[in-house]
Amino acid sequence: GESVGLHLPTLSVQEGDNSIINCAYSNSASDYFIWYKQESGKGPQFIIDIRSNMDKRQGQRVTVLLNKTVKHLSLQIAATQPGDSAVYFCAENRGYNKLIFGAGTRLAVHP
Amino acid sequence: DGGITQSPKYLFRKEGQNVTLSCEQNLNHDAMYWYRQDPGQGLRLIYYSQIVNDFQKGDIAEGYSVSREKKESFPLTVTSAQKNPTAFYLCASGSGSNQPQHFGDGTRLSIL
Repeated sequence: GESVGLHLPTLSVQEGDNSIINCAYSNSASDYFIWYKQESGKGPQFIIDIRSNMDKRQGQRVTVLLNKTVKHLSLQIAATQPGDSAVYFCAENRGYNKLIFGAGTRLAVHP
Repeated sequence: DGGITQSPKYLFRKEGQNVTLSCEQNLNHDAMYWYRQDPGQGLRLIYYSQIVNDFQKGDIAEGYSVSREKKESFPLTVTSAQKNPTAFYLCASGSGSNQPQHFGDGTRLSIL
């Protein structure tokens, strides 16, 4: 299920299930989007990116979907593992590679 | 290994003191960035530099200063004018437009 914590929305999933993390972006002119994973006390780690001329891109166990009509981005993680537990951020490029970051979603994977 | 190195990992500032955070990259990236992250929030852009000897203010530049004398280095100074400096500071570099930025592991700044 999904719940809103004190600071971050949290998505709780069972190990082995698929996870879907959603993000709404602000600027219809944004042409590049990135998903990052951040573990506690560390910097964000690049997961996958997508350009605005695409609506889907797949990586290893991850898929990003882009819906420009409603300015929505999602990250799907297949067969979620305990090591996937982290905070996930979407970011949009507003020009000159200046990124705007979303507030983040915490993914909690339970055995 | 190629990457971005931030130091120190933890830093404490006294009232009225300026402190400088180090960021070094060996990825041969032209662009470098400084972000601030507060608990439970996303990243906010402080300053960025697209080329050596040039830099621009981001969204929250007040109370901060930077320099870019070398391609590999982009130090951030948190001045005494920054009244709420306690945060996690992240440095990133990138190779160009529509390419992902790569991040260091951050410096956590606290007030004594």
